[in-house]
Amino acid sequence: AQSVAQPEDQVNVAEGNPLTVKCTYSVSGNPYLFWYVQYPNRGLQFLLKYITGDNLVKGSYGFEAEFNKSQTSFHLKKPSALVSDSALYFCAVNNNNDMRFGAGTRLTVKP
Amino acid sequence: KAGVTQTPRYLIKTRGQQVTLSCSPISGHRSVSWYQQTPGQGLQFLFEYFSETQRNKGNFPGRFSGRQFSNSRSEMNVSTLELGDSALYLCASTPGGHEQYFGPGTRLTVT
Repeated sequence: AQSVAQPEDQVNVAEGNPLTVKCTYSVSGNPYLFWYVQYPNRGLQFLLKYITGDNLVKGSYGFEAEFNKSQTSFHLKKPSALVSDSALYFCAVNNNNDMRFGAGTRLTVKP
Repeated sequence: KAGVTQTPRYLIKTRGQQVTLSCSPISGHRSVSWYQQTPGQGLQFLFEYFSETQRNKGNFPGRFSGRQFSNSRSEMNVSTLELGDSALYLCASTPGGHEQYFGPGTRLTVT
């Protein structure tokens, strides 16, 4: 069975500082990994995905994620956080059309 | 292209009633998935339809059902509503098994 874990419920960073939102996964075979963001009272928005190839994936709004097979991790990163990045972030894994999401991490960026 | 649309956006029902939610995917997307999002349980997969056939199903009771029409539009139905069914119900479509595009959700409140 596949699963995704986001070990931090909440991440707080100051505006302009780098941010990291952590994600680890457990899946048989080669995973398709995703990050989504959810703003209040909205659906989820796709940020980026890893299917194959380069371990560093670049996505929307300046976000990037690093796939690490040995550590089974797919952490989301951004070099310089903005207040507008404050939202709920979900990591997800897709295996054979079975999509599983992590519990979510609430990111708060303070001015 | 127009995004995923869900109707209605908000709904209030009484325990024991039934409800039908509708989802129109992005044009050309043949796969539609449904999720339930609650503060306590996070984002939980309900089911996925592809070409009018249920392809995957989450761990929900039989009160939750769905269907997909030939134009890829999908509906989900919840019968005999319980207070615990209060949630944001999200629909997502995909062109072919990778990233999903989410609608804004239907906020269901059961009183």
